[in-house]
Amino acid sequence: DVVMTQSPLSLPVTLGQPASISCRSSQSLVHSDGNTYLNWFQQRPGQSPRRLIYKFSDRDSGVPDRFSGSGSGTDFTLKISRVEAEDVGVYYCMQGTHWPPTFGQGTKVEVQ
Amino acid sequence: EVQLVESGGGLVQPGGSLRLSCAASGFTFSSYWIHWVRQAPGKGLVWVSRINPDGSDTTYADSVKGRFTISRDNAKNTLYLQMNSLRVEDTAVYYCTRDYSGYFQHWGQGTLLIVSP
Repeated sequence: DVVMTQSPLSLPVTLGQPASISCRSSQSLVHSDGNTYLNWFQQRPGQSPRRLIYKFSDRDSGVPDRFSGSGSGTDFTLKISRVEAEDVGVYYCMQGTHWPPTFGQGTKVEVQ
Repeated sequence: EVQLVESGGGLVQPGGSLRLSCAASGFTFSSYWIHWVRQAPGKGLVWVSRINPDGSDTTYADSVKGRFTISRDNAKNTLYLQMNSLRVEDTAVYYCTRDYSGYFQHWGQGTLLIVSP
């Protein structure tokens, strides 16, 4: 299975400041169809996961534009341009290029 | 509005069985792949099983293969997960989740399974 490695695992943030989470895969996530199936999910405390980003950079409907995804091959990044209080939670990357789909360990974002 | 509502979780002894349900609404249930993903207490997300729109194609994680069975009733807009030979390590919140533009666009609120003596 493809191993997804996130860093950092804990991210203290300052409200209004940018934040960035890294995700690395053990294999390239470029599919034979040319797409890169890398998703980002947010899980607020006590809630279900919510998909923020699909195909490494496409934002889901209703997701604030302060969230952006970038990267290629095996290295990907989720950026929050200005952190708001509602962004506290755990963020997961997930690959869907290779079977089975696999998730990173999660990055806990908390206000410092 | 897309809604997925899981139910059926509870406390079971090791070796026991339980069936989870996921009631869907707000979309054409019979047109979508649906998955079960679980999350052990304080841990990350793990894919468990998937089923295709007409129920003819199912896949399982190695950790549950031979013990869990995924199924669906498109007339009732409901997904199921029959879990047999349960182990302590199956303890988790179980989410059903629907694909759209890739994996896991919509998630239910989850149902908690506790396997304990």
